[in-house]
Amino acid sequence: GAGVSQSPSNKVTEKGKDVELRCDPISGHTALYWYRQSLGQGLEFLIYFQGNSAPDKSGLPSDRFSAERTGGSVSTLTIQRTQQEDSAVYLCASSLRHLAGGVGYEQYFGPGTRLTVT
Amino acid sequence: GQNIDQPTEMTATEGAIVQINCTYQTSGFNGLFWYQQHAGEAPTFLSYNVLDGLEEKGRFSSFLSRSKGYSYLLLKELQMKDSASYLCARLNSGNTPLVFGKGTRLSVIA
Repeated sequence: GAGVSQSPSNKVTEKGKDVELRCDPISGHTALYWYRQSLGQGLEFLIYFQGNSAPDKSGLPSDRFSAERTGGSVSTLTIQRTQQEDSAVYLCASSLRHLAGGVGYEQYFGPGTRLTVT
Repeated sequence: GQNIDQPTEMTATEGAIVQINCTYQTSGFNGLFWYQQHAGEAPTFLSYNVLDGLEEKGRFSSFLSRSKGYSYLLLKELQMKDSASYLCARLNSGNTPLVFGKGTRLSVIA
């Protein structure tokens, strides 16, 4: 079946504008994660959703960042009043369920959205 | 913090064996993942270890010592296509997200 998809693949925006990034997880995966990766850096956790539970927002760097997951499937990450330090690749991942270890429960990543704030 | 430590860069020769180490704090530890990430691409799953010992999967093997807070990824018969970043990530007990290390950039040379 199809993997995790993200759109757009690239986004260039002016400082101060709002952006929306979209993630379509693998069908049947109940857990969905957002990360960001700056050049030469590791993956920085932002937020995750597990089924209908309240999302874990502990990684969001500021209140300019928010995310929604509608109908337990598609998710949108919104960044308001973008700043230059928001420039990064934003990666979405999904897994069958959250925190389950072992083969079959690993996270599958999408191709990412490269955000550039000018 | 979670203090996941990996070497930043490594270089190895085609056909050789390379070991990429990862150390972490043992408190709250519940399992360890390795991911491969080629430049400009998304990470892809390589292995998961929860018990001590070596897990072998083709040319790649992963080892874990829970008591020592230590894991390594072993790549045999290196190929040029193995040039990538290798990310170590720990799974914590409790309802918390995976924590990734900064990755080790491996360059395979002829």
